[in-house]
Amino acid sequence: DVKVTQSSRYLVKRTGEKVFLECVQDMDHENMFWYRQDPGLGLRLIYFSYDVKMKEKGDIPEGYSVSREKKERFSLILESASTNQTSMYLCASSFLLGRDFTGELFFGEGSRLTVL
Amino acid sequence: KNEVEQSPQNLTAQEGEFITINCSYSVGISALHWLQQHPGGGIVSLFMLSSGKKKHGRLIATINIQEKHSSLHITASHPRDSAVYICAHRGTNFGNEKLTFGTGTRLTIIP
Repeated sequence: DVKVTQSSRYLVKRTGEKVFLECVQDMDHENMFWYRQDPGLGLRLIYFSYDVKMKEKGDIPEGYSVSREKKERFSLILESASTNQTSMYLCASSFLLGRDFTGELFFGEGSRLTVL
Repeated sequence: KNEVEQSPQNLTAQEGEFITINCSYSVGISALHWLQQHPGGGIVSLFMLSSGKKKHGRLIATINIQEKHSSLHITASHPRDSAVYICAHRGTNFGNEKLTFGTGTRLTIIP
């Protein structure tokens, strides 16, 4: 069964703490994405990566960084958490379109982060 | 203005009704996705379309590239179809296959 696994379903952190959110996929996908989802705003792209060590900023990268040292793992880092980063964080992965024309996306279950 | 607009935002219907959810986008795209999100957060990919129509069970998705519009239809709706339905468009340049999402349509099917 194909899977995108996010390391934590629920986290509570304090303002200023460093936060790591891990995402692992077992499907050999090239593309990996980090989104945040807030009520009324839908999913907004933070960063994405189409290959190991490659990363591209999304629409809201400020306050975040990412790391992709291995193909299966894409980490989201909050260097100094702030209360406005309280949100649901979703990881997703897919093949490059040229490799798989189904274009199917696979999502993790989400990590709900609360910053106090 | 959001690049992807969905309508309606909320839809309540009786079991068995035919459901239509609409998605309009403002930029040229190569592919459009429909996704389903159940309470609890899990998101499932339903379709990816670049032209025409696709069908899976009771779900049908259509796209009109010229009009920049897509629709998701559900036939013989059932309470288990209650979820948020999200459309998203996708870039195709290598290294830029990111998705831009609509804010979703919350569908409630009443038994």
